[in-house]
Amino acid sequence: GAGVSQTPSNKVTEKGKYVELRCDPISGHTALYWYRQSLGQGPEFLIYFQGTGAADDSGLPNDRFFAVRPEGSVSTLKIQRTERGDSAVYLCASSLNRVRTGELFFGEGSRLTVL
Amino acid sequence: QQQVKQSPQSLIVQKGGISIINCAYENTAFDYFPWYQQFPGKGPALLIAIRPDVSEKKEGRFTISFNKSAKQFSLHIMDSQPGDSATYFCAASPNDYKLSFGAGTTVTVRA
Repeated sequence: GAGVSQTPSNKVTEKGKYVELRCDPISGHTALYWYRQSLGQGPEFLIYFQGTGAADDSGLPNDRFFAVRPEGSVSTLKIQRTERGDSAVYLCASSLNRVRTGELFFGEGSRLTVL
Repeated sequence: QQQVKQSPQSLIVQKGGISIINCAYENTAFDYFPWYQQFPGKGPALLIAIRPDVSEKKEGRFTISFNKSAKQFSLHIMDSQPGDSATYFCAASPNDYKLSFGAGTTVTVRA
């Protein structure tokens, strides 16, 4: 497909479980971003990858959250010991250039519900 | 804490009317100000963006007005159409990759 693809689109899990969310960016986009959007709020920055490395992970809320992008394309956001407060839509975005010279293309998100 | 404050939370406008959404920021390091449009169940999509070296930018029916001294910027949607009904987010960036978003404004255009 031509856009950013995220799977699963919906994930319901129990408190304390481990979750993985996958993002497949637009082909050729070197920059990849994860944002979290809580109900009624704007997206909140989590982490930014340039290639394979996490250039800025300052938005990750705590050490239960981790993200990887081993081959510079697909990325996985991993959440350990999920808590009810982790419930949100997790958005992935990619861009060809840096933000200020090009737009971010967002996926449709993975809706995570922690019971 | 929210670095970009957006208002109103929601607005209703008649078809053909003007929608106005306002945003304010404190961080003087911000130097890129995009607006994103989001439909239910979809990711945000870039609508229009401005840099602080210009006071206004217009693309079709959408105009950004920027007041650097007041640290405020706004989106005007002219001749609003039912298809414009969506949530609009202002955002700001201090560097090449991180965006700080406002809380969003839900716009409803009545036919």
